[in-house]
Amino acid sequence: DSGVTQTPKHLITATGQRVTLRCSPRSGDLSVYWYQQSLDQGLQFLIQYYNGEERAKGNILERFSAQQFPDLHSELNLSSLELGDSALYFCASSAQGGNYGYTFGSGTRLTVV
Amino acid sequence: QQQVKQSPQSLIVQKGGISIINCAYENTAFDYFPWYQQFPGKGPALLIAIRPDVSEKKEGRFTISFNKSAKQFSLHIMDSQPGDSATYFCAALRFSGGYNKLIFGAGTRLAVHP
Repeated sequence: DSGVTQTPKHLITATGQRVTLRCSPRSGDLSVYWYQQSLDQGLQFLIQYYNGEERAKGNILERFSAQQFPDLHSELNLSSLELGDSALYFCASSAQGGNYGYTFGSGTRLTVV
Repeated sequence: QQQVKQSPQSLIVQKGGISIINCAYENTAFDYFPWYQQFPGKGPALLIAIRPDVSEKKEGRFTISFNKSAKQFSLHIMDSQPGDSATYFCAALRFSGGYNKLIFGAGTRLAVHP
């Protein structure tokens, strides 16, 4: 157990729908990062939050949004889902200052049918 | 644009052999270079990391070699074991206060055959 908790582990939904992925960072970590990993693909950075504030954006689609709540958990909202959104979505957290020690959760596998 | 290029895409090594994965980066502003190991169905886990002012770091069977002038770094796995079979990602990290960005290479799928 890495200390980063992601729910749900698996999600199957239809095209056009909206889903919410949840992440609880490791205790004490202020930064949360979201990554997308498509089949046989690398890890694409989506967005970063630090203590409730958005700090960096990567290749995140406009249909996707995220937020970090006062208790530091984060949610990634995916809307108007398309088949191509099927992927593993990982959340990672790091301590203040974001040293090299990013800790990843086990991911949420999203399947859009 | 891809700022960290990783090769090979896949690698097959016999048990006891040496696995070598190479990465090159483009941006000189990176502060740290970690390697992550990912098993199927799991999240990436930090394996070993190196600062750009160090030329080599060794932890057990895993060694990072870093060439700052060439902007290249590599992972060597000595005495490779079937349990090392996983996907390996090199990465480059730039951090400045609360703004941190970890950029991954495309990954190398390693298979160690008994």
